[in-house]
Amino acid sequence: DAKTTQPPSMDCAEGRAANLPCNHSTISGNEYVYWYRQIHSQGPQYIIHGLKNNETNEMASLIITEDRKSSTLILPHATLRDTAVYYCIVREDSSASKIIFGSGTRLSIRP
Amino acid sequence: NAGVMQNPRHLVRRRGQEARLRCSPMKGHSHVYWYRQLPEEGLKFMVYLQKENIIDESGMPKERFSAEFPKEGPSILRIQQVVRGDSAAYFCASSPPGRVGQPQHFGDGTRLSIL
Repeated sequence: DAKTTQPPSMDCAEGRAANLPCNHSTISGNEYVYWYRQIHSQGPQYIIHGLKNNETNEMASLIITEDRKSSTLILPHATLRDTAVYYCIVREDSSASKIIFGSGTRLSIRP
Repeated sequence: NAGVMQNPRHLVRRRGQEARLRCSPMKGHSHVYWYRQLPEEGLKFMVYLQKENIIDESGMPKERFSAEFPKEGPSILRIQQVVRGDSAAYFCASSPPGRVGQPQHFGDGTRLSIL
């Protein structure tokens, strides 16, 4: 079973920031938080990951709470192309481990 | 998803035939993973391979399914005697060796349809 809990769906106005929450209360010390998204008919796309500190890249920002039990993915200026299912995943500290996908959050961007 | 190449993108087979799905990982990646996504469902892990070795096949059905990643060439997911329930999107992912906290990168999948 997935170790994360996400709302099944959200919507956001185009141009606004999209904030996607994720709960991972049972995360252990060596587990990273990863975010992927899947746009219809495509393979999952890696967005960002982090361990303890907040992270930012060209796609998004990841805010992890101090106790690491929850996190938020922020898309700063959502566009229609950001419509996708977003998956929050916790995964142990190794490149050699499978990903257990949950149900994700279906994000809809409205014009 | 440039980098991980899967082919064919679409594959149609009749019940009882064999399906072969190919995956070429990103350059420098020696870890390959296969996932299956049934219609309207989430992705499920099937198998994890390194060159010439199966590391974790806990998600593979016991019958008819096999996977390999030879020393040379792509990884192959093989489904023998396909049935209607095998219709799904099959995704391959790869990651580099020996580095912690590295993401898997996915291909765009093979859509398998069984007639």
